[in-house]
Amino acid sequence: NAGVTQTPKFQVLKTGQSMTLQCAQDMNHEYMSWYRQDPGMGLRLIHYSVGAGITDQGEVPNGYNVSRSTTEDFPLRLLSAAPSQTSVYFCASSYSLNVGYTFGSGTRLTVV
Amino acid sequence: TQLLEQSPQFLSIQEGENLTVYCNSSSVFSSLQWYRQEPGEGPVLLVTVVTGGEVKKLKRLTFQFGDARKDSSLHITAAQPGDTGLYLCAGEDNNNDMRFGAGTRLTVKP
Repeated sequence: NAGVTQTPKFQVLKTGQSMTLQCAQDMNHEYMSWYRQDPGMGLRLIHYSVGAGITDQGEVPNGYNVSRSTTEDFPLRLLSAAPSQTSVYFCASSYSLNVGYTFGSGTRLTVV
Repeated sequence: TQLLEQSPQFLSIQEGENLTVYCNSSSVFSSLQWYRQEPGEGPVLLVTVVTGGEVKKLKRLTFQFGDARKDSSLHITAAQPGDTGLYLCAGEDNNNDMRFGAGTRLTVKP
């Protein structure tokens, strides 16, 4: 059981470039979320999904897009990278509300 | 302003000491979770509490959810170097979004 798998683990982008952070889970979880973690600010919710075909915005959605075509996959797209998007990104999944999340190991993104 | 305020922000203690870290909010949560995160890894769920006044024990860790479901505490007895890490609390808000505190960074020295 792999749990939540995130790729790549590290990425450096130039300002204005686009890229997709991949997230896959093999636990048949309906709920999936993307967070960014910045020093002193904790984890902030970017986008989330309550099932295939359903996505919604979180606390800091600007500059990011998501889609959920299957239960397993929840990619995060950066349309035009900015230095303010330098962060560590975590994908998480859960089978229900109020039960806590399983997190991936993160993607460390640097935008120069 | 964080929805969930964690204190202290940093804590450095000697092996064998006891400690308590806190997670406070002015909002009511339907549930609250505690996670531990090690460098280079994602947070790992320790416990979920859902009932006001609930106390859960996990070996040397004791978690308490406040009666009003606005705050929580984590107490570690006889801390060990393996307890070192970033402790995060998280709660589901009224929109069912999981909101995190900034964390308490604990260092246990041998």
